[in-house]
Amino acid sequence: NAGVTQTPKFRVLKTGQSMTLLCAQDMNHEYMYWYRQDPGMGLRLIHYSVGEGTTAKGEVPDGYNVSRLKKQNFLLGLESAAPSQTSVYFCATARGEGGWWADTQYFGPGTRLTVL
Amino acid sequence: AQSVSQHNHHVILSEAASLELGCNYSYGGTVNLFWYVQYPGQHLQLLLKYFSGDPLVKGIKGFEAEFIKSKFSFNLRKPSVQWSDTAEYFCAVSHMDSNYQLIWGAGTKLIIKP
Repeated sequence: NAGVTQTPKFRVLKTGQSMTLLCAQDMNHEYMYWYRQDPGMGLRLIHYSVGEGTTAKGEVPDGYNVSRLKKQNFLLGLESAAPSQTSVYFCATARGEGGWWADTQYFGPGTRLTVL
Repeated sequence: AQSVSQHNHHVILSEAASLELGCNYSYGGTVNLFWYVQYPGQHLQLLLKYFSGDPLVKGIKGFEAEFIKSKFSFNLRKPSVQWSDTAEYFCAVSHMDSNYQLIWGAGTKLIIKP
């Protein structure tokens, strides 16, 4: 099993360009999350999904859009990239059974994005 | 705003030394507490978690953490570290009012000298 995978691993964009990050999971988990990690800060939640066809905003959603058309995939889009979006992006999944607050999250390897 | 504080951003220890990494949070209600670890080149993974019961929680690789409610703390401990414990350690908190969000500390980078 691959677990949680992210594509691409690295990307450099120019300001104003767009791109989509793909998160794929083969764990049959209901919940999926997109985080960003910046130096000296903890992970911050961008958007999340509690099931196929659902999405919701997290702590820092501005400048990003997401879609979850299939249970196994969660896409993160940047429509017009800005230097402030330079970061490492992590995808995570969780079973979503019972209380979400006690769920273990399973992470992908991360995508390092630089916006010039 | 709710927050999680990890007191040390960088820790350097020699092998066989004892380890304690601090974690404090600022929410007054019922919480769930997590320690995640990221070894070099690997994914973030769960080390241990607390959600009820015995406040002393044991995790993988000989790690343990103690929940002290009166101190709002969940410190991570290991009696004797190994070189393979070199990693970044993250503390995180969730509660029923945090709307599906884990609140993360900034992380502690631990380097073990062989």
